[in-house]
Amino acid sequence: SQKIEQNSEALNIQEGKTATLTCNYTNYSPAYLQWYRQDPGRGPVFLLLIRENEKEKRKERLKVTFDTTLKQSLFHITASQPADSATYLCALAEGSGGYNKLIFGAGTRLAVHP
Amino acid sequence: GAVVSQHPSWVICKSGTSVKIECRSLDFQATTMFWYRQFPKQSLMLMATSNEGSKATYEQGVEKDKFLINHASLTLSTLTVTSAHPEDSSFYICSAPPPLVETQYFGPGTRLLVL
Repeated sequence: SQKIEQNSEALNIQEGKTATLTCNYTNYSPAYLQWYRQDPGRGPVFLLLIRENEKEKRKERLKVTFDTTLKQSLFHITASQPADSATYLCALAEGSGGYNKLIFGAGTRLAVHP
Repeated sequence: GAVVSQHPSWVICKSGTSVKIECRSLDFQATTMFWYRQFPKQSLMLMATSNEGSKATYEQGVEKDKFLINHASLTLSTLTVTSAHPEDSSFYICSAPPPLVETQYFGPGTRLLVL
């Protein structure tokens, strides 16, 4: 069966450290993978998109890797800050273009402590 | 960036009533919009794909007669929860992809509580 798993329900780290979140999937062939941030009671906010032919993508303190052989994406936040505390969701789209439905993982709740 | 709005942001209703939720793309046209439902501490579950000018496509297990979707224009999709029951209480979120962009922009969500 198809499955998307994010490594842990919650992750607690110290301010200034690097947070690493994992997204694993089975029985999907995603054309691209996206990471979103969701704050409590709010809709998700897009962070990064990485395509199947890309190994790594960066945006400021964020970095995403995508290994289609391992069927895994890693999401890193360097120099983490308490304001980074939120739930982070990975999402897969099997087709190309924006009109393909996204399948979301359960999310990892990140807490950055001062 | 692209903005998607939802209205209302929260609603409380009695069991048996119908509730309409609006999703609007404010600065772009969206031929497709998506409706999700999220229960506490769970992820977003896609309910249906809303297509402008045609019928919505529902995910397996979602009752199309209970969750009516109307995509009346290129900037507006509505989700009507008919004869709502307490188990329909949830956080409903819509999203829309701007043209030629693979990213989806999400609305702020609507929290529905059915008493």
